[in-house]
Amino acid sequence: AQKVTQAQTEISVVEKEDVTLDCVYETRDTTYYLFWYKQPPSGELVFLIRRNSFDEQNEISGRYSWNFQKSTSSFNFTITASQVVDSAVYFCALSVQGSSASKIIFGSGTRLSIRP
Amino acid sequence: DADVTQTPRNRITKTGKRIMLECSQTKGHDRMYWYRQDPGLGLRLIYYSFDVKDINKGEISDGYSVSRQAQAKFSLSLESAIPNQTALYFCATSDRSGSRAFFGQGTRLTVV
Repeated sequence: AQKVTQAQTEISVVEKEDVTLDCVYETRDTTYYLFWYKQPPSGELVFLIRRNSFDEQNEISGRYSWNFQKSTSSFNFTITASQVVDSAVYFCALSVQGSSASKIIFGSGTRLSIRP
Repeated sequence: DADVTQTPRNRITKTGKRIMLECSQTKGHDRMYWYRQDPGLGLRLIYYSFDVKDINKGEISDGYSVSRQAQAKFSLSLESAIPNQTALYFCATSDRSGSRAFFGQGTRLTVV
């Protein structure tokens, strides 16, 4: 069975602080994709990143960075020098690659509030 | 034009009414999904379809039905709407690898 856990329901930090959003996943498959999506107050889902299970390289994109560790089944997301515009709900998701039974499973989301 | 289009974007309906939410895509993807979002519960899968003849129940399919009219179209129906079906509904598509999901803009449904 596949499962994604985002234990942090809500996080609130002051602007310019760094913040890390945790994501832990479960799957018995060896080939899979992990994703992060952002949902701003307007409601749409914005794709942020995809990582496949064979690529454990960390990635940095501007103020955003992602730490993928298969040993701990985690795919954590860090925002450096947070800004008010980063306030949103963030979802981690898992998809098993190529499986006829695969579907995309989401975590429950972390609501991030950045205070000015 | 958006790759995945949901109609309507907003809808208020009365308890007991039948309502259909429609989704169409121009990605040429085989796989389509319907999710429901409630505060604090993330996105939960209602139904998914891997092709026109393959429709599967997700974790919360009770009270819903779907129709895959064509590769590009996947509709979600509430046969008799009830207030706890008030939620934000998302349609999504992906290719067979599941390497990326493309989402519609969402349909905000209120059942009064």
